[in-house]
Order: sequence, then C-alpha cells, then structure tokens
Amino acid sequence: NAGVTQTPKFRILKIGQSMTLQCTQDMNHNYMYWYRQDPGMGLKLIYYSVGAGITDKGEVPNGYNVSRSTTEDFPLRLELAAPSQTSVYFCASSYGASGGYTDTQYFGPGTRLTVL
Amino acid sequence: AQKITQTQPGMFVQEKEAVTLDCTYDTSDQSYGLFWYKQPSSGEMIFLIYQGSYDEQNATEGRYSLNFQKARKSANLVISASQLGDSAMYFCAFLTGGFKTIFGAGTRLFVKA
Repeated sequence: NAGVTQTPKFRILKIGQSMTLQCTQDMNHNYMYWYRQDPGMGLKLIYYSVGAGITDKGEVPNGYNVSRSTTEDFPLRLELAAPSQTSVYFCASSYGASGGYTDTQYFGPGTRLTVL
Repeated sequence: AQKITQTQPGMFVQEKEAVTLDCTYDTSDQSYGLFWYKQPSSGEMIFLIYQGSYDEQNATEGRYSLNFQKARKSANLVISASQLGDSAMYFCAFLTGGFKTIFGAGTRLFVKA
C-alpha cells in the first residue's frame, strides 16, 4: 500500500494563478481531510469529506475548493492564489469509525506551496 | 469549545534519557480520543500513539507511552531512552464525536548526544 500520496511536492505560484493539489489514498478510507500548516504552527483544517460526493468546510476554507468524486481522490483547488496561501498542505485520510473518536488519521507527505 | 494546549514550545533531552511532553485538553464530552504525531525535519506527519477516553490503561507503543490523567485532562507523551532520531516536532491532537481533529501548537524536541 502506498497510503496517502500527494502531488506535487513543491510548487511556486504567482499571485492570481490557480492550481489543484492532488491527493489519493489506497486504504479504502471513507474520510479525507485537507490541512494547511504555516511555518512554526500547528495544523488547520481546510475542508473534509466523509464520503464520495460529500464535503464540508473546516476552520479556514476561504480561497479553496474541493470535490470528492471517488473514494480514493480528494483534490484541493486554489483559485486566485494569494501570498497568504503560502504554506505546507497536508492531505489525510481515516477509516471513519462509528462514534468518531477512535479514528486515526494518516497523512500524506505534504505539498510545499509558495505564492509570490 | 474544545481546546488543546501544549505549553512547551521547545524541550531538550540527553540521549538515552526519558522525556515527557505535556498536553492538556478541555472538553465537556465523555467520549474522545487523544493522539500524538511526530513531524521530523523532513516534514511528514507520523502517527505515534492513541488513547481513548474510556481506556483504563495507559497506551504504549514501543518506546512511546501516554500518561493519561483523565481527571486532570492531561495526556502527556513519554519517550523512553531518547535517540537522536527522536529530534522532531511533536503534536498532540484531540478528537471527539465528529470529524474535526484539533491539533495543538506542537513541542519541538531536541535530543543531545
């Protein structure tokens, strides 16, 4: 199993450009998440999905969009990139255990994005 | 509101010694889970250990153990016999019913040779 994979690993964008961060998991997990980690900080939830076709906003959704057409894939779209979106982006997945509080998340390697 | 706090921005430990990383949480829920993750300088997030609120025994995984004190709402990570490779950022995380895991700000651990 590859686990959670993310592409690209690094990207530099100009202000106003758009891009899609790809995330794929092969663990048949129901739940998937996107986080951003600013330098020296913890993780902030951008969007999450509890299954194909179902997504919801996290703590910091502005400037981002997601879709979940399959169980495996959960791409994150940045529209009109801004310097404030310079960050490391992590995708994660979890099984989605009943009751919710036992659910361990497994993370991809991250995408380091710089907006200039 | 749920809240999780890691009060130690940085910690130093001598190689082969034990170290405790603090984590406290605030919740009125009875059912919840606590997680610790390691983030080395390479950047990936590595799951270390889990403790459920109803677990009567402290969780252990190899050299990692979780000192869970429910009444104090603390879930400290203990690393025994520290190794140079343990130098990393460590995040405590909290999950209650639902889908939103809350992460602490992290503690950076430095292991000295």
